[in-house]
Amino acid sequence: AQTVTQSQPEMSVQEAETVTLSCTYDTSESDYYLFWYKQPPSRQMILVIRQEAYKQQNATENRFSVNFQKAAKSFSLKISDSQLGDAAMYFCARANAGGTSYGKLTFGQGTILTVHP
Amino acid sequence: NAGVTQTPKFRVLKTGQSMTLLCAQDMNHEYMYWYRQDPGMGLRLIHYSVGEGTTAKGEVPDGYNVSRLKKQNFLLGLESAAPSQTSVYFCASSKRGGSGANVLTFGAGSRLTVL
Repeated sequence: AQTVTQSQPEMSVQEAETVTLSCTYDTSESDYYLFWYKQPPSRQMILVIRQEAYKQQNATENRFSVNFQKAAKSFSLKISDSQLGDAAMYFCARANAGGTSYGKLTFGQGTILTVHP
Repeated sequence: NAGVTQTPKFRVLKTGQSMTLLCAQDMNHEYMYWYRQDPGMGLRLIHYSVGEGTTAKGEVPDGYNVSRLKKQNFLLGLESAAPSQTSVYFCASSKRGGSGANVLTFGAGSRLTVL
């Protein structure tokens, strides 16, 4: 099975500080996509950031950036200048690339992020 | 623009009852998915569809059936509900092919409790 593992069930950060959420994955594919999704208490799944495995450059979206280590199969999310609205469950996910992948995502177990004022 | 709409949002069933969750998307997406979310296990794929009239099994398909008679709708059925099916169910959709196939739009979720 191609698994995604988030080893931190819970993390906390002070407002305006930086926090890093960890994710490792297992795959035999050479081309794939990695994602971080945010799930606030509203339950809505929100795409935070996406990384294509063949791209060496780490993806960034405003205060959110990733550290993609392909050889180590690691994909961590860094949130800078944390805000109260960042408090949520964060899921790491992976999908194969290619025509037969059909967008099927495999998710990690999630990390609950608490932001303290 | 509604995106992905799931109905109902909440439902309580007794063991052995049947029900259908309806998912509708207005983005003309080819692909649709049903996931379930359980504490400590993330989201797991139940069934998916790559086009009207086609469905396929995901990671945890047992106890569920699906149908995609119209492109915009994807139905998830429980024929005989069991307590193990207590969960939050998410529908999602995405474009066909290329990098767009991996960008999923999710519905708001449906919480199902089986007593």
